[in-house]
Amino acid sequence: DGGITQSPKYLFRKEGQNVTLSCEQNLNHDAMYWYRQDPGQGLRLIYYSQIVNDFQKGDIAEGYSVSREKKESFPLTVTSAQKNPTAFYLCASRNRGLGETQYFGPGTRLLVL
Amino acid sequence: EDQVTQSPEALRLQEGESSSLNCSYTVSGLRGLFWYRQDPGKGPEFLFTLYSAGEEKEKERLKATLTKKESFLHITAPKPEDSATYLCAVQKVGMKTSYDKVIFGPGTSLSVIP
Repeated sequence: DGGITQSPKYLFRKEGQNVTLSCEQNLNHDAMYWYRQDPGQGLRLIYYSQIVNDFQKGDIAEGYSVSREKKESFPLTVTSAQKNPTAFYLCASRNRGLGETQYFGPGTRLLVL
Repeated sequence: EDQVTQSPEALRLQEGESSSLNCSYTVSGLRGLFWYRQDPGKGPEFLFTLYSAGEEKEKERLKATLTKKESFLHITAPKPEDSATYLCAVQKVGMKTSYDKVIFGPGTSLSVIP
């Protein structure tokens, strides 16, 4: 079964702590994305990667970091510099090319203790 | 400024009462318009991709249409299981990079009452 997996489903962060959200895909997609979703707002792009070992900042990258060492994996670290991290985080992937559809994982909800 | 808006913000329908959701966009260089369904606490599920004005796509009780400025998601004889948030997204060619940007609307929350 091809798809995108995210873990954990729920994550709790203490003040000053860095936490890492996992995203894995077995769709053989080149491009991967991280979005943040807040109530009443559209999805906002945090980081994206179009190829292994390369990634770019999205619209709200401050306080976040990523790596892309493998095609299948695109973990997101929420650092202590992100002052308002409580949100629903979504990972997506797609084939590169105009008009190609993005497919999403099930999401991780991050809560601050 | 590139923008995607959706209306209404929320819609409450009786089972069997057909209606339409609207997605309006002001984006230059459109390369695709996407509709997703999102259930509470879950990731968006892909429904349709539309590429050019006049195009239509159907799936069960849903039909998506596209004009040069907006898209409609028509829901015919909805059932309670159609209750979800419906997201619209527009893809455009990036101006400064090779990244083809996807801009999401805020969504329409649909409730279908038995």
